[in-house]
Amino acid sequence: GAGVSQSPSNKVTEKGKDVELRCDPISGHTALYWYRQSLGQGLEFLIYFQGNSAPDKSGLPSDRFSAERTGGSVSTLTIQRTQQEDSAVYLCASSFDPNYGYTFGSGTRLTVV
Amino acid sequence: QQPVQSPQAVILREGEDAVINCSSSKALYSVHWYRQKHGEAPVFLMILLKGGEQKGHDKISASFNEKKQQSSLYLTASQLSYSGTYFCGTERWGNAGGTSYGKLTFGQGTILTVHP
Repeated sequence: GAGVSQSPSNKVTEKGKDVELRCDPISGHTALYWYRQSLGQGLEFLIYFQGNSAPDKSGLPSDRFSAERTGGSVSTLTIQRTQQEDSAVYLCASSFDPNYGYTFGSGTRLTVV
Repeated sequence: QQPVQSPQAVILREGEDAVINCSSSKALYSVHWYRQKHGEAPVFLMILLKGGEQKGHDKISASFNEKKQQSSLYLTASQLSYSGTYFCGTERWGNAGGTSYGKLTFGQGTILTVHP
């Protein structure tokens, strides 16, 4: 597609429920990244994909967080048993070459109540 | 470690200039700059690579002092459209055995407001 697409744009969930966040990167971009942005804060790295592999998962905050990527394209970030501290904007970015920067999606605003 | 950006906020009149700094305590491979407007996605502005190479677009310039591990973003003749939060993202030298793959640590952001 023309840009990085994320869905849903907003998600309100009850504490303890599972959520799935979707990212559809730019076609041909082999690198895909998930970041989290809490209110008034900078962006926090979560996970990096090259193709379908995730060589760096070091930013995932706990084992409640997982992500996968299929077909070298769409990625899904899953948060199990959501907690209030998971509330944030989850941003996905893709790149054909990191030395040329990323293109970010508009993010999913997750609110855990 | 998170890079440190300064200033935290700056207010300008149209046509004025500004400099935003980004400092790291670690040896860096690259520094990225992004601008984010409220409620929108961050937009790529510029990347500076170890060795002096720069890649970017738009009428914005930047520098990277490898000795100090500091980058500066120069906004000249500011326009209303320059308003937003500016983030630097740094990639450490030696990521993944020396191969760059774009894992960035972002600063806390600098809020730029341009008034008519």
